[in-house]
Amino acid sequence: AQRVTQPEKLLSVFKGAPVELKCNYSYSGSPELFWYVQYSRQRLQLLLRHISRESIKGFTADLNKGETSFHLKKPFAQEEDSAMYYCALRTGANNLFFGTGTRLTVIP
Amino acid sequence: EAGVAQSPRYKIIEKRQSVAFWCNPISGHATLYWYQQILGQGPKLLIQFQNNGVVDDSQLPKDRFSAERLKGVDSTLKIQPAKLEDSAVYLCASRGTETYEQYFGPGTRLTVT
Repeated sequence: AQRVTQPEKLLSVFKGAPVELKCNYSYSGSPELFWYVQYSRQRLQLLLRHISRESIKGFTADLNKGETSFHLKKPFAQEEDSAMYYCALRTGANNLFFGTGTRLTVIP
Repeated sequence: EAGVAQSPRYKIIEKRQSVAFWCNPISGHATLYWYQQILGQGPKLLIQFQNNGVVDDSQLPKDRFSAERLKGVDSTLKIQPAKLEDSAVYLCASRGTETYEQYFGPGTRLTVT
């Protein structure tokens, strides 16, 4: 069975400080992981995908199969980064299995 | 392109009543998903359609929930009868054939009293 764990429900950082949102997973197959974000009053949307290995809005995430982690990082947090972040695992049926989410607040 | 549309946006019903939600996916998207998101949790898949066929409904409580996508476009999710624990946001998402990204609608917030 699959599992996605986001240990922090709430995370607050000051503007300009580094931010790391943690995600750990458990999956018997070859994992494909995503970060989805929901800004206030907006829809849930894709932020980035591990296979793409790209930086979106300054965020990066590296898949670490040894530690079964896919942490989201940004070196300098901005106020507009305040949002709800969900880590998600794609299962064999092309479905998404979501973690419980982390609410990030960037303090001005 | 127009996004995924859902209606109604909000619904309040009493327990044991029935309710239906509607979703119109992005034009041309063959795959449609319904998720349930209970407060404080991440979205949980209820059912996945590929065109008008069901791909995965293993998490759908079939004794009270039903969903259909008769013409392979719009979809309806129904709850009958509703229970208090059905209070949640119901999200619809769609995905194109050659893409991995799911596009989400704004959701329907259901409150069962």
